[in-house]
Amino acid sequence: AQKITQTQPGMFVQEKEAVTLDCTYDTSDPSYGLFWYKQPSSGEMIFLIYQGSYDQQNATEGRYSLNFQKARKSANLVISASQLGDSAMYFCAMREKIGSAAGNKLTFGGGTRVLVKP
Amino acid sequence: DGGITQSPKYLFRKEGQNVTLSCEQNLNHDAMYWYRQDPGQGLRLIYYSQIVNDFQKGDIAEGYSVSREKKESFPLTVTSAQKNPTAFYLCASSIVPGSSGANVLTFGAGSRLTVL
Repeated sequence: AQKITQTQPGMFVQEKEAVTLDCTYDTSDPSYGLFWYKQPSSGEMIFLIYQGSYDQQNATEGRYSLNFQKARKSANLVISASQLGDSAMYFCAMREKIGSAAGNKLTFGGGTRVLVKP
Repeated sequence: DGGITQSPKYLFRKEGQNVTLSCEQNLNHDAMYWYRQDPGQGLRLIYYSQIVNDFQKGDIAEGYSVSREKKESFPLTVTSAQKNPTAFYLCASSIVPGSSGANVLTFGAGSRLTVL
């Protein structure tokens, strides 16, 4: 079974509007972390935002916020006031088994391509 | 500035040849990772290392080998046993997490390997 599922292969968004990128995950581990990364056409992965499974508040970082619904196992990324530079691939990732030797690696979803229209 | 340097950026190889991709970091991170990315897809873990002289297989280790002789360096060799090596390869590093899972993976710019 997929650990991380991103169901939207591609999206268009109008400049200055908000966009929500979906991410659902599958784990039986009570302690886990969820990450979002941005990959522009240059290829480098840029960290955007992190949410821990025990965090009480939804994470926010500037124009990025994470809509964390633990019972539904979803961690959707919201980008507010989209800019042309937001056009990129976006990946959701999860870390499980935190604190163990195996708890260091990230498992990635398939990604969502976002194109911001002027 | 601290960061991760991957080289070469582009590499072409003939079938049957081994090739080694370099990854060097000056972030003083203990853990290093290699991921593979195929066009339009997510990243898949090849190998990772949490300490010098130790490394573990990831999800797609077959046809690849690594070494970790120095903290700063984690080279990846794509061997002739790898059936479909054409891909984008990303190296990353991080601190080793304790009780918090919030440590971030920092990535290099990637190496694009094409088998002719």
